[in-house]
Amino acid sequence: NAGVTQTPKFRILKIGQSMTLQCTQDMNHNYMYWYRQDPGMGLKLIYYSVGAGITDKGEVPNGYNVSRSTTEDFPLRLELAAPSQTSVYFCASSWVLSAKRGYEQYFGPGTRLTVT
Amino acid sequence: KNQVEQSPQSLIILEGKNCTLQCNYTVSPFSNLRWYKQDTGRGPVSLTIMTFSENTKSNGRYTATLDADTKQSSLHITASQLSDSASYICVVSAEGTTDSWGKLQFGAGTQVVVTP
Repeated sequence: NAGVTQTPKFRILKIGQSMTLQCTQDMNHNYMYWYRQDPGMGLKLIYYSVGAGITDKGEVPNGYNVSRSTTEDFPLRLELAAPSQTSVYFCASSWVLSAKRGYEQYFGPGTRLTVT
Repeated sequence: KNQVEQSPQSLIILEGKNCTLQCNYTVSPFSNLRWYKQDTGRGPVSLTIMTFSENTKSNGRYTATLDADTKQSSLHITASQLSDSASYICVVSAEGTTDSWGKLQFGAGTQVVVTP
């Protein structure tokens, strides 16, 4: 299995440009997530989805949009890129272990985005 | 305010030595705590998951402890190897509804460098 794949690995955007970060998982997980990781900071949740057609905002959703038309794909859209969106973006998917133990998350390799 | 604090921020240890990383949290009500290992340029990978009733969990040379009363956890690395060089992230999940399963609190991580 490929697990969670993300494309592209690296990207440089000019201010005001837009782009879509792709994320695909082949584990048939219902839950999928987008995080950003800034230097010296913990991962911050941008958006998440509990199934196809269902998405919800995380902690830092401003400037981003998502869609979930299939179980496998969860693209993240950046409109009007700003320097504050320079970060490493991680996609993850998960399945439920139990109500107490929560769920096991699997992360993709990340996309390093620079906005100049 | 970050609800998960990790210390130290970074540490350097000699190959073969042991080390202990600390995690203090204020997330409440507590559901579970996990430790992730993140190699440079990669996504985080789960090492251990502990619930309220579990106070120790091992995964090879990694042993995590949890004191839910004092809201502290530690990760002990035994007989360190060069491949242990990575960032170690403490993540705490709050108990709640299904929706909250997507909302984890991430620590900033401890950067461990193992030298020959």
